[in-house]
Amino acid sequence: GAVVSQHPSWVICKSGTSVKIECRSLDFQATTMFWYRQFPKQSLMLMATSNEGSKATYEQGVEKDKFLINHASLTLSTLTVTSAHPEDSSFYICSAAGHGSYNEQFFGPGTRLTVL
Amino acid sequence: GQQLNQSPQSMFIQEGEDVSMNCTSSSIFNTWLWYKQDPGEGPVLLIALYKAGELTSNGRLTAQFGITRKDSFLNISASIPSDVGIYFCAGQLTGFQKLVFGTGTRLLVSP
Repeated sequence: GAVVSQHPSWVICKSGTSVKIECRSLDFQATTMFWYRQFPKQSLMLMATSNEGSKATYEQGVEKDKFLINHASLTLSTLTVTSAHPEDSSFYICSAAGHGSYNEQFFGPGTRLTVL
Repeated sequence: GQQLNQSPQSMFIQEGEDVSMNCTSSSIFNTWLWYKQDPGEGPVLLIALYKAGELTSNGRLTAQFGITRKDSFLNISASIPSDVGIYFCAGQLTGFQKLVFGTGTRLLVSP
C-alpha cells in the first residue's frame, strides 16, 4: 500500500514558539492531504483539507492563522503551529489521497507535539 | 465537529472470543470505513464498504454497511492478543473525501 511519512515523529517546544510538521506521500501523488488532531483517548478530528496549489479549507472552529497549512507539491504538505501554547499539545496526523473520491486516504504515523 | 457514535466504548475479552462493535450516524454516508489504531501510530484501514447492505470480510474481520446507510458494524472472530487497539469507524460522502470518524472502541484481549 501507499506510504505516508511525517516528520518529526515527536517534538517538544516552548510556549510561544512555532513548530512545523511535514507530511509526505512517498510513492504516490497526493492531490489532497488532510490534517487531523487527536487528543488523548479521543477520536481524530479533521482540522483542514488541502489541495495541491490552493488554499486549505479549515473546519469550523480551527484558526487558520494559527494552523498554517501549505501544500506546495503533490507529495508534501506542511502544518505550522504558530505561537504554540500548552493547549495545542496533541497528536497531529496527516493523510493523503490521490485522484477520485473513492481513493483511500493513507494515514501518516502521526506527530506528538508537547508544548511546555 | 461531527462525530459518529460507536459502541461499546471499550471491551475486555478473552483470547479466542468473538467481538462485535457498531457505529451509528444521524446522517447518511455513502462509504463506511473501519480503521485500527495502535498507540502512538496513525490509523490503518481494515475494511471499506461502498454499498448499502454490503457485507465484506478481511480474514477474521467482517463488516456490514447498514441498509439505512446510517450504521455499520464490525465483527472480529477468534480474537488474538494482537487485536488489541482502538477501532474507529469513519463515514464518507460521495464526491467528498472528508472522513468523519467515530468515537472509537478500545479493545483489550487477555491471553
